[in-house]
Amino acid sequence: GAVVSQHPSRVICKSGTSVKIECRSLDFQATTMFWYRQFPKKSLMLMATSNEGSKATYEQGVEKDKFLINHASLTLSTLTVTSAHPEDSSFYICSARAPGQTQETQYFGPGTRLLVL
Amino acid sequence: AQTVTQSQPEMSVQEAETVTLSCTYDTSESDYYLFWYKQPPSRQMILVIRQEAYKQQNATENRFSVNFQKAAKSFSLKISDSQLGDAAMYFCAYHGNQFYFGTGTSLTVIP
Repeated sequence: GAVVSQHPSRVICKSGTSVKIECRSLDFQATTMFWYRQFPKKSLMLMATSNEGSKATYEQGVEKDKFLINHASLTLSTLTVTSAHPEDSSFYICSARAPGQTQETQYFGPGTRLLVL
Repeated sequence: AQTVTQSQPEMSVQEAETVTLSCTYDTSESDYYLFWYKQPPSRQMILVIRQEAYKQQNATENRFSVNFQKAAKSFSLKISDSQLGDAAMYFCAYHGNQFYFGTGTSLTVIP
């Protein structure tokens, strides 16, 4: 149980285009989902926290207009990288927390590698 | 903000031997959790072990155990009887109100 998927697993796009990454909780309802960014040989950095039906909370330094997060259902959150640039190339990981579970119990997705040319 | 430091970018261990990965953290909070996650080449983050800060007893999960020294803010991971499948990137993580991850230790297991 507690499986989180991400789609696509990898994507290559041209500079200036927008890319949508999906995060799904497959066997549980996730009231809260988290988006992380991982640079090569670096740790994961929390970008934003999204709660179903409400606006995402972004961490300091993360541009909310560039990284659009939508959590429209209890099983799906999307991250849209708008007007992508090469510096947005990274590994994006989502995690999800099930209702009733404590905040630190998160299930991670397999990640999405984004390459912007 | 809390910081998590992993001072060993790379480690290697002979198969069947024991290896210890180091982690220190900085916090002023008294209630928090500590984790070790494994990230194999597939990049899927896998929970290895977790420790509640209020528990003095060190957590263990089969071949994995931790040495939690709260006063020293140290949280090392010991892998016993290392197996080839243990080769991965290992991240130490702190959770107070959100996750803070260390920069990782790349573990190589030598056959």
